[in-house]
Order: sequence, then C-alpha cells, then structure tokens
Amino acid sequence: DTAVSQTPKYLVTQMGNDKSIKCEQNLGHDTMYWYKQDSKKFLKIMFSYNNKELIINETVPNRFSPKSPDKAHLNLHINSLELGDSAVYFCASSHPTSGGADTQYFGPGTRLTVL
Amino acid sequence: AQRVTQPEKLLSVFKGAPVELKCNYSYSGSPELFWYVQYSRQRLQLLLRHISRESIKGFTADLNKGETSFHLKKPFAQEEDSAMYYCALYNFGNEKLTFGTGTRLTIIP
Repeated sequence: DTAVSQTPKYLVTQMGNDKSIKCEQNLGHDTMYWYKQDSKKFLKIMFSYNNKELIINETVPNRFSPKSPDKAHLNLHINSLELGDSAVYFCASSHPTSGGADTQYFGPGTRLTVL
Repeated sequence: AQRVTQPEKLLSVFKGAPVELKCNYSYSGSPELFWYVQYSRQRLQLLLRHISRESIKGFTADLNKGETSFHLKKPFAQEEDSAMYYCALYNFGNEKLTFGTGTRLTIIP
C-alpha cells in the first residue's frame, strides 16, 4: 500500500508524560508535515521538513520536537504533555506539482488524549 | 498574512438539491486554492484545486479574485457527499497551506 501511515492511531496518556507519534510515507515525497486538529476541527500546520531539513516551525511550544531520521519518516515527540495537547495530529507529505503548489497527502491521524 | 474563512460550520442539504460551500480568503499575492474533504473515518484528501479547473465527484469551484472567494458547488447533492470540507490556501512565499475552519456537510435523504 502506497500511503502515509501513522502510529499509533489512538494514544491516551497522563499529564506530564512524554510520548512520540511516528509517521512514514512510501510515496517518495521530499516534504513532510505535522498538523494539529483541535476539538473544533480547526486544522493548523505545526512543522514541515524537506529532505530532513526543517522548513516551517510554527509558534508551537518547544515541548514539541519533530525528528526526521530520513526523508520517508517524520516523527513527533512531545514532552511533558498537557491537557491542551489533546487533539488529532495529522502527518502529511507532498511532492512538487508542475505549474502549482504541492498536493499534500494525509495520514489517518493520531488521536491524542491527555488525562 | 493569509486567512481562509468558511462562514458555515454546519450545512444540511436535501438529497438532489444544489450545494454551495462558501470559502473566502485574504492573501496579498496570487493565491492557489484547494478543497480538501474528510469522509467519516477516512483521512483528509484532496478534492480539487483551482488550477486544475476540473470537476471531481460532480463538484466544481471557481476562483473569483474580485470577491476573493472559492466557493464549492454541486448541482445535485448525493448522500455520499456527507463529509467535512476544508478550503485551503497555499502561500508560495512561506510554503504554508492554511486551512479554513471547515464545514460539515450533511445530506438529508
């Protein structure tokens, strides 16, 4: 299956814990992203990497640290989890499209619940 | 700064009726606009983009620069169109895709 995959699909954890979400794409794309979708379904970019290099770093608390071991993977590590971190996190990847902006392909999302 | 506004959070339409999901944007450059859709229990996926000028699943969207709008339309709604729809704008300058807040479309049988 060629796609963007994320693990885990669901993550329930206590406040203060450290957790990671993994993302892998086998589409051969150079650029990968993390988005956060809050309880009101608002979808916002957090980070993007191009060929393992950080391109976009939105105003996200530094408890969030993306790591890209290679261009097919972009993991998200979150330290000292807080209640407000509860959300659905989407990974995406893209490739350049001739004549326009990149089309982004999304993973299935990871629903993080912080208790 | 770029901004995308979807004024309707929820929209219910009867099957067979026309559908219009509104999207307005603010952007100082030449925009590239998209509609993404998220069906129940599925991932977010691209529906259409304005430069393609194509119709996907019966949906079309025309970029109106004068009104800064990119409304999504379909002449006859089908039950399988029920989903969450996001309008998005790509900024070539900062390489960011900015999403609107989404509209949940429900087609009433």
